[in-house]
Amino acid sequence: GENVEQHPSTLSVQEGDSAVIKCTYSDSASNYFPWYKQELGKRPQLIIDIRSNVGEKKDQRIAVTLNKTAKHFSLHITETQPEDSAVYFCAASKATGTYKYIFGTGTRLKVLA
Amino acid sequence: DAGITQSPRHKVTETGTPVTLRCHQTENHRYMYWYRQDPGHGLRLIHYSYGVKDTDKGEVSDGYSVSRSKTEDFLLTLESATSSQTSVYFCAISGAQGVYNEQFFGPGTRLTVL
Repeated sequence: GENVEQHPSTLSVQEGDSAVIKCTYSDSASNYFPWYKQELGKRPQLIIDIRSNVGEKKDQRIAVTLNKTAKHFSLHITETQPEDSAVYFCAASKATGTYKYIFGTGTRLKVLA
Repeated sequence: DAGITQSPRHKVTETGTPVTLRCHQTENHRYMYWYRQDPGHGLRLIHYSYGVKDTDKGEVSDGYSVSRSKTEDFLLTLESATSSQTSVYFCAISGAQGVYNEQFFGPGTRLTVL
């Protein structure tokens, strides 16, 4: 069935360094890829997304890249800050029909001060 | 937070009892989803709705049923709760103003089945 693999499961970086989280999807018909940030005890919040007609999207310190041929996409956070510490989830979806998401299993990011 | 609420926010119940969780939205989103979140599994779709009285199963639907009698409410029912259904349940919505891809999550319900 449809699957999204996410790596790493945990990631520790020093404040100011960059962090990269990678996801691979199985369904070649997927064409919408959101990223969510979830702080402890809170709801997942959409932080950035990318559609399959775009290779890269950037919003301040965060960026997402997409390689449709390889079926993988990545989240890049530059100049990390302690408030970036959270669990990050990737997901894959189709832009038509039910718009269901298949989520990755999450990456716990710790930014060390 | 996209006008979405969940009730109750916390519930402790016993094995074998029925439980109903409610998701309420105020912004006329067409699509509504129920997820469960468990350590190591991320967010898994239980059921979803694409309109009033239109629902379908997700990847972990066994033991759950849903109903949507009006646009703003989506109910998740555990007919006979089991300990394996202890989890955090999130509702999500999408589709207002023609934007269907972006899902917005409710605050979650922590359910403990003893």
